[in-house]
Amino acid sequence: GAVVSQHPSWVICKSGTSVKIECRSLDFQATTMFWYRQFPKQSLMLMATSNEGSKATYEQGVEKDKFLINHASLTLSTLTVTSAHPEDSSFYICSAIAGGYQETQYFGPGTRLLVL
Amino acid sequence: KNEVEQSPQNLTAQEGEFITINCSYSVGISALHWLQQHPGGGIVSLFMLSSGKKKHGRLIATINIQEKHSSLHITASHPRDSAVYICAVTTGNQFYFGTGTSLTVIP
Repeated sequence: GAVVSQHPSWVICKSGTSVKIECRSLDFQATTMFWYRQFPKQSLMLMATSNEGSKATYEQGVEKDKFLINHASLTLSTLTVTSAHPEDSSFYICSAIAGGYQETQYFGPGTRLLVL
Repeated sequence: KNEVEQSPQNLTAQEGEFITINCSYSVGISALHWLQQHPGGGIVSLFMLSSGKKKHGRLIATINIQEKHSSLHITASHPRDSAVYICAVTTGNQFYFGTGTSLTVIP
């Protein structure tokens, strides 16, 4: 099946720094990528939807200036957590689809972020 | 109220048992997805369906559009099936996720 990678797989940073997470579709062109966060023992929470070449669409309650998303190509989207705080510590997951919303989503392995 | 409700939240089964996880939703959908998340966090899409029934190995997913309900069945369960199973629906431009069912299969 299709493969989506994320980098880094885990990161520890100091409060106030910015962290960039990459999401790549390795063997297909992703028209749309999604960014999720997941807290322990909770389900996925969609943060934003990213289409190549256009601005990301953020879900209600997600600060677009704090979580910067760039989808520069059909195989790469990045999420930058700016001025990270301990409450931003979470598991961040991306997924990608090659077509419309009825297509299968392929998930990345996730990135664990710990902000000290 | 959540748009997607799953039951049970937690499930423990003996190896070999037949398992059913249920998902009910309240919005009009274009597709329903069953996802599997292993303890390490990785997520795999098991099924995507908009009608009827799909089968893959020991896994079977059914959906009743009129009743807005889907079930995921696991036959001859195995410890490696232990994971969180998440039901998600798409309305065409929006995704809604259930809170997940944590399954533990005991040898």
